[in-house]
Amino acid sequence: GDKVKQSPSALSLQEGTNSALRCNFSIAATTVQWFLQNPRGSLMNLFYLVPGTKENGRLKSAFDSKESYSTLHIRDAQLEDSGTYFCAAGRGSALGRLHFGAGTQLIVIP
Amino acid sequence: GGIITQTPKFLIGQEGQKLTLKCQQNFNHDTMYWYRQDSGKGLRLIYYSITENDLQKGDLSEGYDASREKKSSFSLTVTSAQKNEMAVFLCASSIVGSQDTQYFGPGTRLLVL
Repeated sequence: GDKVKQSPSALSLQEGTNSALRCNFSIAATTVQWFLQNPRGSLMNLFYLVPGTKENGRLKSAFDSKESYSTLHIRDAQLEDSGTYFCAAGRGSALGRLHFGAGTQLIVIP
Repeated sequence: GGIITQTPKFLIGQEGQKLTLKCQQNFNHDTMYWYRQDSGKGLRLIYYSITENDLQKGDLSEGYDASREKKSSFSLTVTSAQKNEMAVFLCASSIVGSQDTQYFGPGTRLLVL
């Protein structure tokens, strides 16, 4: 089965509203990364997390390794936030690889 | 800062052809990765390399070869292109495996006629 499950798979947000994306892990994740893939296909790293929270502007992410999940909160959504959000889990014992979720496709509408 | 470059940006091949994609990074990162992304889908790991001359199989290594010729470059070969295949191949790198931020290149878009 999927090691990293993302929800929802797709989301439509009105500009200026807030939402949360979630990743559940069936592996013993020790680190989490969140990426945004823009409509042109470029992937940008948003957060690298060990257990805890991080904030950057209108984005806030949390990682709870005991409960095996991570969240990405988007506040005051803007049109440029549209794209596909991926989370990826890393394990301390694994040599290098990340396990990616299937992504959440976000469309922000005016 | 640094950059990851992938060549070519677009690749059109014929069924059965051997095709090679190249990736260069100037971050001085140890670990490099190749992923495949099909339209509307997530990323699947093909191969990765934790240091020069190292190769580790990912989830999708069958049908591909890879080579880490030097620390800054990692190439991927599609051993026999499949008819009507269409995908984006993404290269990435990080300092030390999964315990560090992963950076992605712009991708190579493959179409097989």
